Amino acid sequence: QSALTQPASVSGSPGQSITISCTGTSSDVGSYNLVSWYQQHPGKAPKLMIYEGSKRPSGVSNRFSGSKSGNTASLTISGLQAEDEADYYCCSYAGSGTYVFGSGTKVTVL
Amino acid sequence: EVQLVESGGGLVQPGGSLRVSCAASGFTFSRSWMSWVRQAPGKGLEWVANIKEDGSEKYYVDSVKGRITISRDNAKNSLYLQMNSLRAEDTAVYYCARNDGGYFYYWGQGTLVTVSS
Repeated sequence: QSALTQPASVSGSPGQSITISCTGTSSDVGSYNLVSWYQQHPGKAPKLMIYEGSKRPSGVSNRFSGSKSGNTASLTISGLQAEDEADYYCCSYAGSGTYVFGSGTKVTVL
Repeated sequence: EVQLVESGGGLVQPGGSLRVSCAASGFTFSRSWMSWVRQAPGKGLEWVANIKEDGSEKYYVDSVKGRITISRDNAKNSLYLQMNSLRAEDTAVYYCARNDGGYFYYWGQGTLVTVSS
């Protein structure tokens, strides 16, 4: 049950696109199409941004997209905006009823 | 409107016990898997436990097995986390979340548990 690996920080200018990676193993990310992504602003509860790898909940901007290749999932934010500055976490089902979160990525809008 | 409201957090001494609760409303609680996720101060999210709709299945992260128990009362639309033998590393904000089959759509606002002497 080791945390999924994410870069500690990613930054970009307004309007640019950034991608956050989430690397797991063949026991979690690689085995299930159950990767989700969460946005968390300081002092707030996490917000679901992507589920089942690439699906967006109602109300989430289409500037957010998700994908997966092998043991690595990715979240792309296009047209970066100031309000996108937050922490982002991936999460994967890891079998036997368990889940594992990523280490978290701080996104900074320059 | 779906609401999850945690309560019961506070300061507890190492080795002590505490039960945190989560009151659910706005959805059919008895038909939903539920989870607890925690976040230590300044750290990332950590999944803690899951419980099936009827309470017949429970799953835990290895670090809490034998010390922490998840339970629910569907008649009261409530989720619980009984924490025993608490350690400093259990200090965190504890969130309850609805598990919608591989992801957590609804979250509470969290309750802070501090383990310190």
